[in-house]
Amino acid sequence: AQSVAQPEDQVNVAEGNPLTVKCTYSVSGNPYLFWYVQYPNRGLQFLLKYITGDNLVKGSYGFEAEFNKSQTSFHLKKPSALVSDSALYFCAVRDIRRLSFGAGTTVTVRA
Amino acid sequence: NAGVTQTPKFQVLKTGQSMTLQCAQDMNHNSMYWYRQDPGMGLRLIYYSASEGTTDKGEVPNGYNVSRLNKREFSLRLESAAPSQTSVYFCASSEALLAGASTDTQYFGPGTRLTVL
Repeated sequence: AQSVAQPEDQVNVAEGNPLTVKCTYSVSGNPYLFWYVQYPNRGLQFLLKYITGDNLVKGSYGFEAEFNKSQTSFHLKKPSALVSDSALYFCAVRDIRRLSFGAGTTVTVRA
Repeated sequence: NAGVTQTPKFQVLKTGQSMTLQCAQDMNHNSMYWYRQDPGMGLRLIYYSASEGTTDKGEVPNGYNVSRLNKREFSLRLESAAPSQTSVYFCASSEALLAGASTDTQYFGPGTRLTVL
């Protein structure tokens, strides 16, 4: 079965510093990986996805993610975090039937 | 273009009561999904529908029923609510039919916060 793990429940960074949210995956076959963000009291918003090709995927709001096949990781990154990036971030892997989500990582960016 | 809409936004039920959560999308998507979100567990799939007239169970279908009324609408029904069904419920939709659709993106509604007393 496909699954993802987000090893950190919380990430705290100062505004202007780099932000990394970690995700590892376990799949049989090709991995189709996604990142979503959830702001308080809102639904999930799609950030980016990896299907194939370039290991560095660029997405919305200045986020990017690096696919690493040897480490089975798909970490989300932003070079310079903003206070407005404070939210809950989910990594997900897609199989033929559904998205399987990680437990989520709460990101807090302090001014 | 509203995307995915859900009603109601909030609901409080007593144990044993029934209710239906409504979801509609205006993106002409084929597939629709119902998830529940619980703290520390991410989102778990309850039911999904690959096309009008078809529905399939997800990870946690017990206690729920669904109906794909037409291409736009996908409802979730709790026949006899239980406290364990207290959760936030999200509807989502995606463009492709499920076969070969591993790459397509799901779009989510704003959620329904349900409390069962």
